[in-house]
Amino acid sequence: AQSVSQHNHHVILSEAASLELGCNYSYGGTVNLFWYVQYPGQHLQLLLKYFSGDPLVKGIKGFEAEFIKSKFSFNLRKPSVQWSDTAEYFCAVRGQSNTGKLIFGQGTTLQVKP
Amino acid sequence: KAGVTQTPRYLIKTRGQQVTLSCSPISGHRSVSWYQQTPGQGLQFLFEYFSETQRNKGNFPGRFSGRQFSNSRSEMNVSTLELGDSALYLCASSLAQGGRHNSYNEQFFGPGTRLTVL
Repeated sequence: AQSVSQHNHHVILSEAASLELGCNYSYGGTVNLFWYVQYPGQHLQLLLKYFSGDPLVKGIKGFEAEFIKSKFSFNLRKPSVQWSDTAEYFCAVRGQSNTGKLIFGQGTTLQVKP
Repeated sequence: KAGVTQTPRYLIKTRGQQVTLSCSPISGHRSVSWYQQTPGQGLQFLFEYFSETQRNKGNFPGRFSGRQFSNSRSEMNVSTLELGDSALYLCASSLAQGGRHNSYNEQFFGPGTRLTVL
C-alpha cells in the first residue's frame, strides 16, 4: 500500500535559518509528488510538484524540492525562512495510474520565530 | 476564476444524525475528490468522482457516501454520525483525472467544512 512519511512533526526555526523537511514515500510504480502548505486559517495551497524530468523542482515563495528516486524521497527546502512561512506543510504522493487520489503525510508544523 | 467552494463552512450535529456537504469545483474541472482531515489521522482520502462516476474510494465505512452531478458539483453524505466523524472535510477539484499533461494533475482545495459531532 502507498504511504508517505514526514520525519519532522514540529520544527521551530528563527528567521533567516535554512529549512529542510523530509518526506519519504512507499510506492512501487511511477509517482507524482507534491508539497502543499496550509497557512493558519487558510486552505491547502500547492507549493510545488514533481511529475518527471529535472528532479530539482522550484515552487512558489522560494521553496524547492529534490526528488531522489533511489531513496524514495522528496525533501522540501528553503534557504532562508521568514516569519510568514509559519504554517503546516504536507507531502503527498499520487500513483500515476490515472487517479486523482492523493496520499498525504502526517504533516509538519513549522514555526518561525521573528 | 473562482476557486473551489464548499458549503456550509461549519456544521454542528449530534450522534446518529446524518449530514450532507456540498462542493462546487472550479469552472471546467470535472474531477472532484474528498478528504477528511483530523489532528490524529491527518488527511485521508475519502473518494473521487469524475463525470458523475466514483472512480476511487478510500478506506471508510459505508456510512460515507457521495455523488457528483452533471455540472460536476459534488455532495458527500455521512449517515448515523459518530463522535469520531468530527473533522474538517476538504474537497479538491482538478481539470481531469490523471493523465500525463501537467496541468491536468494539479488539485485545488476548497476551504473545507468543519463538522462537529456532539
